[in-house]
Amino acid sequence: KAGVTQTPRYLIKTRGQQVTLSCSPISGHRSVSWYQQTPGQGLQFLFEYFSETQRNKGNFPGRFSGRQFSNSRSEMNVSTLELGDSALYLCASSADTEGYGYTFGSGTRLTVV
Amino acid sequence: AQSVSQHNHHVILSEAASLELGCNYSYGGTVNLFWYVQYPGQHLQLLLKYFSGDPLVKGIKGFEAEFIKSKFSFNLRKPSVQWSDTAEYFCAAYAGNMLTFGGGTRLMVKP
Repeated sequence: KAGVTQTPRYLIKTRGQQVTLSCSPISGHRSVSWYQQTPGQGLQFLFEYFSETQRNKGNFPGRFSGRQFSNSRSEMNVSTLELGDSALYLCASSADTEGYGYTFGSGTRLTVV
Repeated sequence: AQSVSQHNHHVILSEAASLELGCNYSYGGTVNLFWYVQYPGQHLQLLLKYFSGDPLVKGIKGFEAEFIKSKFSFNLRKPSVQWSDTAEYFCAAYAGNMLTFGGGTRLMVKP
């Protein structure tokens, strides 16, 4: 079956702009999580959605937001981009509510210039 | 808040050497524990996971990990590493609808 699909793979944006990243989970998976990966901070949790509800949110400013649609696809949005937002953004999906195993996508590499 | 710490940031081994990567978590309740691997240029892949039962869990590619509740540890082991094991390894704990990662350990295996 198809894995977790993230689009686009690469993105270059200018400071102050906003960006929307997309994640299509594995078919049947209802839980979607987002992570930011940087060399300095490692993998940091952004938020988790299950059945269109945000169940948890990491310690990121309000410029970072997300949503999940009825088909479990998810988007995350970053407004007023800053240079420090340059990172690999990873999406992961899981079939259940207990974190029994996440499958990760290849990520979207965002560069803010 | 839960946290996960990995003691070694960089490890260099020769082929056939044994590997043990340390991982400690801090959380008072029940946690599910994982090890993920990220090969150069590839996405995160699940190596193994622990939810309950036998504290010694076996994963893919000859890896295993031991959950020691009294030490809040979940160390990853492999008896004999190969050059192809060169990658970054992440320990993670799931609790409270959140998967928390350790800082990662970069393993380099010299041929």
